[in-house]
Amino acid sequence: GIQVEQSPPDLILQEGANSTLRCNFSDSVNNLQWFHQNPWGQLINLFYIPSGTKQNGRLSATTVATERYSLLYISSSQTTDSGVYFCAVERWETSGSRLTFGEGTQLTVNP
Amino acid sequence: GAVVSQHPSRVICKSGTSVKIECRSLDFQATTMFWYRQFPKQSLMLMATSNEGSKATYEQGVEKDKFLINHASLTLSTLTVTSAHPEDSSFYICSARTSGGNTGELFFGEGSRLTVL
Repeated sequence: GIQVEQSPPDLILQEGANSTLRCNFSDSVNNLQWFHQNPWGQLINLFYIPSGTKQNGRLSATTVATERYSLLYISSSQTTDSGVYFCAVERWETSGSRLTFGEGTQLTVNP
Repeated sequence: GAVVSQHPSRVICKSGTSVKIECRSLDFQATTMFWYRQFPKQSLMLMATSNEGSKATYEQGVEKDKFLINHASLTLSTLTVTSAHPEDSSFYICSARTSGGNTGELFFGEGSRLTVL
C-alpha cells in the first residue's frame, strides 16, 4: 500500500508565527486531503488537494503530485490552531479505494 | 455544517456486552461508507468499507465476527462491537463522500469513543 510520511512529528510555536507541515507519499494518488483533528477528536476538512495550490484564510496548501509531496502552510498561528494535522492520500481503483493517513503533526501554539 | 453524523459520541460498557455505533450521511446518499479506528496518540486505521446492500469489506487483521457492519440504507451504516473487551476501547470514526460513491472528498463523523470496563 501507499506509504505516507509527515514531518515534523511535533511542532511548538509562539502565537503569530508561521509554519510549514510536509507530507510525502510513496505512489501516485487521486486524492490528497489535509485534516485538523480538534481536542474532541473530530476531523475537520482543511483541503482537498490532489494537485495544485489552494488557500483558505490563514491556511494554504500546495501539492506537487509529480514529486509526491504536499505542504500545508499556517500563517499568523493562533492558539486555536493547536491540535493534530493529518495528511491522507488515496488511489481510486476498481477493486476499491482506501484513504491512508500519515502519523500526523502535533502542533502546539503557545500564547 | 456536518455532513456525516455519528451516535453515540461516547459509550461506556461492561466487558462481554455489545455496542452499536451509528453513522449517518446527512442530506446525501452514500453507497459506500468507511469505518476507522484510532488509538490514543496514534493515526487512523481503516477497519472496513461498508457497502450498501452487500457485505462489508474488512481490512486484513480485522475480525469480521467481532466488528459487525450493516449498511442497510443509503444514509445509515452501523458498526456493532460484539462481546466487547477492554482492548476494544478506542475511538471509532466513520466517513463518507458527498458524491456518494468511491471518488471525491471524504468527510468524517464526530467519532465515537468506546470505553470497555
